[in-house]
Amino acid sequence: DGGITQSPKYLFRKEGQNVTLSCEQNLNHDAMYWYRQDPGQGLRLIYYSQIVNDFQKGDIAEGYSVSREKKESFPLTVTSAQKNPTAFYLCASSSAGSEQYFGPGTRLTVT
Amino acid sequence: GQQLNQSPQSMFIQEGEDVSMNCTSSSIFNTWLWYKQDPGEGPVLLIALYKAGELTSNGRLTAQFGITRKDSFLNISASIPSDVGIYFCAGRLNTGNTPLVFGKGTRLSVIA
Repeated sequence: DGGITQSPKYLFRKEGQNVTLSCEQNLNHDAMYWYRQDPGQGLRLIYYSQIVNDFQKGDIAEGYSVSREKKESFPLTVTSAQKNPTAFYLCASSSAGSEQYFGPGTRLTVT
Repeated sequence: GQQLNQSPQSMFIQEGEDVSMNCTSSSIFNTWLWYKQDPGEGPVLLIALYKAGELTSNGRLTAQFGITRKDSFLNISASIPSDVGIYFCAGRLNTGNTPLVFGKGTRLSVIA
């Protein structure tokens, strides 16, 4: 089955801990993206990567880090420096000739 | 960052009614996209538009790429309960894999 997987669906962490969210795609897409969505809000871009071993900050990168060591994987680390980490996190991918598709999301709760 | 002006913010309609929502921008876009998000899920692509004036349908959904390239609308005809969700417009300023610019969404509620 082709698509984008994010795991886990729900994640709980204590304040002060770093946490890594997984995103994998088997669509052979070059570009991958991370968005944050707060209740009743739109999508805000955290980081994106257009090719392997390269990534750029989005609008709200502070407190987050990413890596892109493989084409199919783009993990997002929410660090303890992120002041309000509780949110719904969405991963997406795209390629030239293909539009942007989203994964199912991970809901992170930090207490 | 840049955002699109999407309206209305929310809508409550009776089942069977038609729905219209739109997005506007001060910038010219090369591509307009419409997504639907169900609660707790990722957005799903509904319609993609690539040329000014283009009118595209997907079942009961119809979307248009504005002539000025600064706006787009989405119509849903004969709404049904499963149309409930948040609809997002998105635009691409340049070609290639540049990030999309998103509207804040229109939350649609359908009363049976």
